[in-house]
Amino acid sequence: GNSVTQMEGPVTLSEEAFLTINCTYTATGYPSLFWYVQYPGEGLQLLLKATKADDKGSNKGFEATYRKETTSFHLEKGSVQVSDSAVYFCALGTSYDKVIFGPGTSLSVIP
Amino acid sequence: DSGVTQTPKHLITATGQRVTLRCSPRSGDLSVYWYQQSLDQGLQFLIQYYNGEERAKGNILERFSAQQFPDLHSELNLSSLELGDSALYFCASSPTRIGELFFGEGSRLTVL
Repeated sequence: GNSVTQMEGPVTLSEEAFLTINCTYTATGYPSLFWYVQYPGEGLQLLLKATKADDKGSNKGFEATYRKETTSFHLEKGSVQVSDSAVYFCALGTSYDKVIFGPGTSLSVIP
Repeated sequence: DSGVTQTPKHLITATGQRVTLRCSPRSGDLSVYWYQQSLDQGLQFLIQYYNGEERAKGNILERFSAQQFPDLHSELNLSSLELGDSALYFCASSPTRIGELFFGEGSRLTVL
């Protein structure tokens, strides 16, 4: 079945450090891929998405590229801020209207 | 503000009881999803409706049921509650079939 695996947290970084959160997936067909972010006490928000191979999603300085050959969709940001502290979820959506989320990676950015 | 409204925000009840969680999707969204988030299980997909019809089912217990009404709001019914049902329950709506979701703020259920 379809599944999403992402790196275990928590991840702690200093402000302005480079961020990578790894995500790999298993899916039949051609899924769309997403990164969602959950700030403390809030619901999840869509951060970025990619709908086909080699697409790059980007938003708020975050980027992720849909790599079909490695079944990956790693999240990156060049310089993190304290306000980026949150839980990040990788997810995939298929034509069967089911969105599968990874376990989430908690990020803490310290000044 | 995502435009998705969930009520109640907090609910405390006892084992064996039954509760109903309500969700109003964003205007125009036909799909509604329900998820359970707990510390040990992460974010678990429960069920999805599209324009009143059940479209996909996940790890939803038989004690749980849901429906989507003609006005597109949805309700999740949880019965014979157990301590392990304590969790955050999220509703999300989607304007497409590919899974771009807009989440509500969640309903926090505590079973004592």
